[in-house]
Amino acid sequence: AQKVTQAQTEISVVEKEDVTLDCVYETRDTTYYLFWYKQPPSGELVFLIRRNSFDEQNEISGRYSWNFQKSTSSFNFTITASQVVDSAVYFCALNTYNTDKLIFGTGTRLQVFP
Amino acid sequence: EAGVTQFPSHSVIEKGQTVTLRCDPISGHDNLYWYRRVMGKEIKFLLHFVKESKQDESGMPNNRFLAERTGGTYSTLKVQPAELEDSGVYFCASSPLLAGGPDTQYFGPGTRLTVL
Repeated sequence: AQKVTQAQTEISVVEKEDVTLDCVYETRDTTYYLFWYKQPPSGELVFLIRRNSFDEQNEISGRYSWNFQKSTSSFNFTITASQVVDSAVYFCALNTYNTDKLIFGTGTRLQVFP
Repeated sequence: EAGVTQFPSHSVIEKGQTVTLRCDPISGHDNLYWYRRVMGKEIKFLLHFVKESKQDESGMPNNRFLAERTGGTYSTLKVQPAELEDSGVYFCASSPLLAGGPDTQYFGPGTRLTVL
């Protein structure tokens, strides 16, 4: 069975601080895909990144970066120099080659204060 | 290109009534998914269509929920009769049909359902 754990329920930071959101996953499949989605106050789920299990390279996109480590089954997300607009709920998710359905973590609510 | 759209954005109904949610996927996406988030809990899979066929409906909670995708375009999710525990946000997602494993799912804005 697949499982995604986001242990941090809520994080509060002050603008310009760096913040890391943790994601730990479980799967027995050798081919799988990891995702991060952002849910701003408006409610929609916005796709941020997709990573497949064969690509452990870290990814950087502007102020966002992702650290994928198979050895610890983690796919952590770091926001550098956070901004108020980063305030949202962030979801980590997993699916596999054989199963399309996404398994989500419970989400981490990030509040960035000015 | 238009994203996934859902209608209505909000629905408030009384226990025992019927509600129908609609999802229009991104044009050309053969995969369509329904998910639900009950207050404070994780987003959970309900079912998956490939074109007009149900590929996986393992997440449907009970037979009060009926999903259709006639013609392989938009989909509807009907709850009849609605119960209090059906309250939550219903998300629809779509993705292209690929030969080599699942592609990224793009989500709609969700329908917030409140059953009183």
